[in-house]
Amino acid sequence: EAQVTQNPRYLITVTGKKLTVTCSQNMNHEYMSWYRQDPGLGLRQIYYSMNVEVTDKGDVPEGYKVSRKEKRNFPLILESPSPNQTSLYFCASSSLVQDSEQFFGPGTRLTVL
Amino acid sequence: AQSVTQLDSQVPVFEEAPVELRCNYSSSVSVYLFWYVQYPNQGLQLLLKYLSGSTLVKGINGFEAEFNKSQTSFHLRKPSVHISDTAEYFCAVSDITGGGNKLTFGTGTQLKVEL
Repeated sequence: EAQVTQNPRYLITVTGKKLTVTCSQNMNHEYMSWYRQDPGLGLRQIYYSMNVEVTDKGDVPEGYKVSRKEKRNFPLILESPSPNQTSLYFCASSSLVQDSEQFFGPGTRLTVL
Repeated sequence: AQSVTQLDSQVPVFEEAPVELRCNYSSSVSVYLFWYVQYPNQGLQLLLKYLSGSTLVKGINGFEAEFNKSQTSFHLRKPSVHISDTAEYFCAVSDITGGGNKLTFGTGTQLKVEL
């Protein structure tokens, strides 16, 4: 089954404790991205990647890092989480064929105390 | 840069009634347009998309949307809603010149279908 998986689905942590949210897709997609969803703000793009070793900032990249060492994986790293990063995070992937559909993961709900 | 405005944050409607969720966009370039649905505790699912051609687009679950270039709108409609349509709906655009991968979302509309 074609899918985007994220782990963990739920995470409660404390300020300053480094964490990684994993994202993996099995569709051989080149394009992957991370969004955060906040009430009243919709989804905003954090980082994206056009292919292995090619990443770039989205609209709200501050406080986040990403890496793309393999085509299927695109982890989101919070080196020193802060309470304003409490949010619902979604990973998405698509091919680079124009107008291809983006597939979204199930989401990771992160709470930073 | 693009922006998307969803004027209604919440839309209550009775079952079997028609519904329209409004979406307006702003862009200096041509765009693709999308509607996504998010059921409680789930990820986003594509409802429908407008790429080119006919301005009336039909999607899954009986939804349709009409692209109006002069009014820069892409309103979502369903003639008769069901309880199971209760969800949050997001309108999104992407820049054609950028390949259409990066999505800019609206703030979402919560559709609540009541008996």
